[in-house]
Parts: sequence; structure tokens; C-alpha cells
Amino acid sequence: ETGVTQSPTHLIKTRGQQVTLRCSSQSGHNTVSWYQQALGQGPQFIFQYYREEENGRGNFPPRFSGLQFPNYSSELNVNALELDDSALYLCASSLGAGSPYNEQFFGPGTRLTVL
Amino acid sequence: GDSVTQMEGPVTLSEEACLTINCTYTATGYPSLFWYVQYPGEGLQLLLKATKADDKGSNKGFEATYRKETTSFHLEKGSVQVSDSAVYFCALTYTGNQFYFGTGTSLTVIP
Repeated sequence: ETGVTQSPTHLIKTRGQQVTLRCSSQSGHNTVSWYQQALGQGPQFIFQYYREEENGRGNFPPRFSGLQFPNYSSELNVNALELDDSALYLCASSLGAGSPYNEQFFGPGTRLTVL
Repeated sequence: GDSVTQMEGPVTLSEEACLTINCTYTATGYPSLFWYVQYPGEGLQLLLKATKADDKGSNKGFEATYRKETTSFHLEKGSVQVSDSAVYFCALTYTGNQFYFGTGTSLTVIP
């Protein structure tokens, strides 16, 4: 059984650029959630995708967008990058949505640095 | 709004010492509560959870009890090991689609 994988591991961008981060969910999981973890902080919920539809969104501006594909992998896109977007971006997958009984499995994250 | 507050770190303990990491929450309803652990270079892993008041979650010698009256979910272990060195996050959720995490507490266990 393959766990959650994310790519790339590290990324450096400049302010104003756009970035795409990728996540492959654990085998059999149909739900993917994205989190932003700033240095020294806990993860902040960005949004969740369930069966290719957005299923909840945190307090992030529209320049943070996402996609989920038929194989349940997912992308996080961030437009017009700002310095404060520098963070570790975590992806988590689970089987089913809308229940605290469904354990989320996290990937190792993508470290984004905006200069 | 809903939030989780954890004790400030870092925490440094000697092997076999007792551990308590405090976690309190603010919630408008009755959430489920979780502890996640993040080992160096790895993603977050679920350590334990409790879904209703007075439930006790336990795993790998760690325990936490959901206390509605004190809005707390403190993490405890009777005897820590070097391999327990990690960052520990307390979290809550209502529906499982949005988790609220604390800021994390770094634990270092020295031999």
C-alpha cells in the first residue's frame, strides 16, 4: 500500500509568480485535504476535495485554488505569490468525507519559499 | 470561533520521565479531539483520538481524556523514550473535513 506522496519536495519562487503543488492520495482514498503550515505554527486548513468536488474551504483567498482528478490525486495552485505564502504545504488523504471517524493520512509536505 | 491552544515548547525530558502536554480548546459545539505527531522529516501521523466527552484515547503508551468540563485534552505518557522525540499537535474537528490545529509542542527526550 502506497502512502501519500507530494511533489516537489522543495520549491523556490519569486513574488507574483504562480505555483502548482501535487499530491497523490493513498490507495483507495477518495478525499484530499490541503493545509498550510507556517514556520512554528500548526497546519491551517485550505480546502478539501471529495470525488473531484470542493467539500469545504478555510479562510484563504481565491488565489488559492485546487483540483482533484478522477484517480483522486490533487493539485494546489497559488497565483500571485506573496512573501507570506512561504510555508510547508501538507496534503492529507482519507476514505470518505464528512466524518471525524475517517483518519487522515498526511504526506511529507512541499516546502515553498517565496523571495 | 473554534480554536486549540497548546502549551508552549520546547519540552526537554530525560528518558523514562513522565510527560504531560496541555491542550485546551474553544468550541461552539461538541467536536472530536485528536493528537497528531510529526517526526523529523515526516508527515503528521495520528497518535490518538476521542470523539465524545469522557472518552480516553490511547496508543503507544500515550493517553488523553476528553474533558468537556475543563475543555481539555491533555496528552500524557508515564515513561518517555528517545524515540518519542517529535512535535505533537492537538487538533479538533466537527465533521472531519476541517481540522483546527494547535501550534505544536516540540519534545526532545535525552538518554
